[in-house]
Amino acid sequence: GDSVTQMEGPVTLSEEAFLTINCTYTATGYPSLFWYVQYPGEGLQLLLKATKADDKGSNKGFEATYRKETTSFHLEKGSVQVSDSAVYFCALIIFSGGYNKLIFGAGTRLAVHP
Amino acid sequence: DSGVTQTPKHLITATGQRVTLRCSPRSGDLSVYWYQQSLDQGLQFLIHYYNGEERAKGNILERFSAQQFPDLHSELNLSSLELGDSALYFCASSKDRTNEQFFGPGTRLTVL
Repeated sequence: GDSVTQMEGPVTLSEEAFLTINCTYTATGYPSLFWYVQYPGEGLQLLLKATKADDKGSNKGFEATYRKETTSFHLEKGSVQVSDSAVYFCALIIFSGGYNKLIFGAGTRLAVHP
Repeated sequence: DSGVTQTPKHLITATGQRVTLRCSPRSGDLSVYWYQQSLDQGLQFLIHYYNGEERAKGNILERFSAQQFPDLHSELNLSSLELGDSALYFCASSKDRTNEQFFGPGTRLTVL
């Protein structure tokens, strides 16, 4: 079945370090891919998305490229800040049974220290 | 601010009780989705309503039910509560069945 696998956390980095959070997916058809972020005590916010192969989503310095050949959508940021500390969820959305089926990975907690 | 509102923010109740969680979607959004986020199960899709009609069910227990009203707000009803129902419950909305979903801030339910 359709699923999303992302690297386990927590990921602990110093400020200005490079970030990669790995995400791979299994899906029938052609899903759209998303990264959501959940800051402490808040709901999920859409961070970026890509709707087809080779698309690059970007927002707030974060980037992810839809790689169909490796079924991956890894999240990267060149220089993290303390304010990036949050839980990051990779997700796919696939149109199935007449509605959008949104499937999340388990989430990866990022802690950035000064 | 996503434009999706949920009330209450926190809810503390006892086992065996019944509670109702409320969600108001973004203006113009016809679809409402409910999710449960718990430590052991992660983020799980519960149910989807589109313009007042139930469209899809996920991992929703029989003790749980939902509805979407003519003004498009939605309620999630949880009954015969158990300790394991303690979780964050999120609602999300989208313009139609195919668009991206915008999440509310969640309701934290604690069952004692």
